[in-house]
Amino acid sequence: AQSVSQHNHHVILSEAASLELGCNYSYGGTVNLFWYVQYPGQHLQLLLKYFSGDPLVKGIKGFEAEFIKSKFSFNLRKPSVQWSDTAEYFCAVNSGGSNYKLTFGKGTLLTVNP
Amino acid sequence: DTAVSQTPKYLVTQMGNDKSIKCEQNLGHDTMYWYKQDSKKFLKIMFSYNNKELIINETVPNRFSPKSPDKAHLNLHINSLELGDSAVYFCASSQREGGTEAFFGQGTRLTVV
Repeated sequence: AQSVSQHNHHVILSEAASLELGCNYSYGGTVNLFWYVQYPGQHLQLLLKYFSGDPLVKGIKGFEAEFIKSKFSFNLRKPSVQWSDTAEYFCAVNSGGSNYKLTFGKGTLLTVNP
Repeated sequence: DTAVSQTPKYLVTQMGNDKSIKCEQNLGHDTMYWYKQDSKKFLKIMFSYNNKELIINETVPNRFSPKSPDKAHLNLHINSLELGDSAVYFCASSQREGGTEAFFGQGTRLTVV
């Protein structure tokens, strides 16, 4: 069964600091990987996704993530965070070729102080 | 032009009642889901439907009964509500093939008192 672990429960940064949120998954086959963001009181929105090809993917709002197959990791990065990035961030995985089950990590709350 | 819409947005009800949450998607997707987000923000899949057919039922109590009248709708009916059912319920949809992302509705915050 696939599973996702996010290492950081709560990250607190000041504006302009760099961000890296860890995500590791366990699944032996082909995977599709996603990062979603949930702003306070809102629904989940897709930040970026990886299916195949270049392991460094760029998403919206200056976020990027790198897929490292050997480490089963898909860490999210942003060089300079803003106060408006304060939100809950979820890593998710589903097995390639089928979307019947999207498994989420437990989420990381990012608080950016102005 | 909302892609995935759920109603109601908020639902407060007493223990033992029966309630429904409706979900509709206008994206032409084949697959729809219900997720439950608990107070710690953990998202857990409850059901997955593909073309009106139940694909995944993640050991959800049978008080929860999803119904898909057509592939654009996936409603969730809950019987005999319990305090532990209080959570935010998200509907989502995606294409079946190709690993496309899931699009989420705004969520329904259910509070059982």
